Amino acid sequence: GQQVMQIPQYQHVQEGEDFTTYCNSSTTLSNIQWYKQRPGGHPVFLIQLVKSGEVKKQKRLTFQFGEAKKNSSLHITATQTTDVGTYFCETSYGKLTFGQGTILTVHP
Amino acid sequence: EPEVTQTPSHQVTQMGQEVILRCVPISNHLYFYWYRQILGQKVEFLVSFYNNEISEKSEIFDDQFSVERPDGSNFTLKIRSTKLEDSAMYFCASSALREQYFGPGTRLTVT
Repeated sequence: GQQVMQIPQYQHVQEGEDFTTYCNSSTTLSNIQWYKQRPGGHPVFLIQLVKSGEVKKQKRLTFQFGEAKKNSSLHITATQTTDVGTYFCETSYGKLTFGQGTILTVHP
Repeated sequence: EPEVTQTPSHQVTQMGQEVILRCVPISNHLYFYWYRQILGQKVEFLVSFYNNEISEKSEIFDDQFSVERPDGSNFTLKIRSTKLEDSAMYFCASSALREQYFGPGTRLTVT
């Protein structure tokens, strides 16, 4: 079935460094959602992107939706140890689909 | 703040047994979902439910699975005859529109 590919699978950074995760689709998406899952926790909704080229910010987090609506990114500026967790994108190809997730670890 | 609740937090069952996982969605939400997450893997969509019927289901959601909203508050996932590979964390979620609120999950262990 159709999938959304998310990269990288793992990212280890030093505290203060930036972090970016990407979701890519071969087909045009109507919307995309981003979630964060802390270790041992459940996914928590972060943002929804709907419009082509949309950029949304939440403090140190910046979310982008590509012009062609086939890719999206989540960028964290100056990571902190509280940012650790797995970041998922989620979209719908008729059926709800989550990306594989990017596991972020932050070394203090 | 309203939240989705799930019971039990951990269920251990023997292969072949039936299990029912329970969820109480947020009260004014209309869309309900079940997901599973095998340890170390991504979240996988199982089924969505709206207006008292299944609106979408994945390939995982075969005849062994069923969902029910037996009353105005509960939303249940039943696995009729559990297999070892059903061991996973099962998350319930609910939404009013698009933002989904997830419950804390039920860890199902099939032995």
